[in-house]
Amino acid sequence: GAGVSQTPSNKVTEKGKYVELRCDPISGHTALYWYRQSLGQGPEFLIYFQGTGAADDSGLPNDRFFAVRPEGSVSTLKIQRTERGDSAVYLCASSSQFQETQYFGPGTRLLVL
Amino acid sequence: GQQLNQSPQSMFIQEGEDVSMNCTSSSIFNTWLWYKQDPGEGPVLLIALYKAGELTSNGRLTAQFGITRKDSFLNISASIPSDVGIYFCAGQLTGGTYKYIFGTGTRLKVLA
Repeated sequence: GAGVSQTPSNKVTEKGKYVELRCDPISGHTALYWYRQSLGQGPEFLIYFQGTGAADDSGLPNDRFFAVRPEGSVSTLKIQRTERGDSAVYLCASSSQFQETQYFGPGTRLLVL
Repeated sequence: GQQLNQSPQSMFIQEGEDVSMNCTSSSIFNTWLWYKQDPGEGPVLLIALYKAGELTSNGRLTAQFGITRKDSFLNISASIPSDVGIYFCAGQLTGGTYKYIFGTGTRLKVLA
């Protein structure tokens, strides 16, 4: 079956711009996670959803970052007023339940100039 | 952000050798996962561990969930060139949240 997909695969933007990153989880998976991975580091937790609600958003670095999952499937990570330090790979993962193992998408590589 | 202590940070080994890496933490975890990540790709799940003391194998890979629930190791036997990559551990926290904390990664290079 289809795995987790993320679009776009690459995004180049200018400092101060707004960006949206999309994640399509595995069909039927109720839990969805967002991570940020900087070069040479492990994935860093941002937020996870159980269904439509954000169950834990403690990893969002500041109020410029926001994520939604309005219908409990696709999720969008939104970054306002991008900064050069936001440049990283943004990974999405889903699992059938929040206790179960998670499967990753290929990531969106964001470059803020 | 919080990351688990993973060692070694990197290693060069000869093809055919066995490899061992581990993760440690001051926190207790419900679940330990081990992933491999190739350049430009998302992490791919290798092994999942759900109980303290659990020992699980997947082909040439063997992983164990530490008795204290604060550590885990991964062994790769008879390494081959395609084992090259970055290996990450991830622990799922207890206590009302189900977020995962990842290790800093072990970069494995296999010399043919």
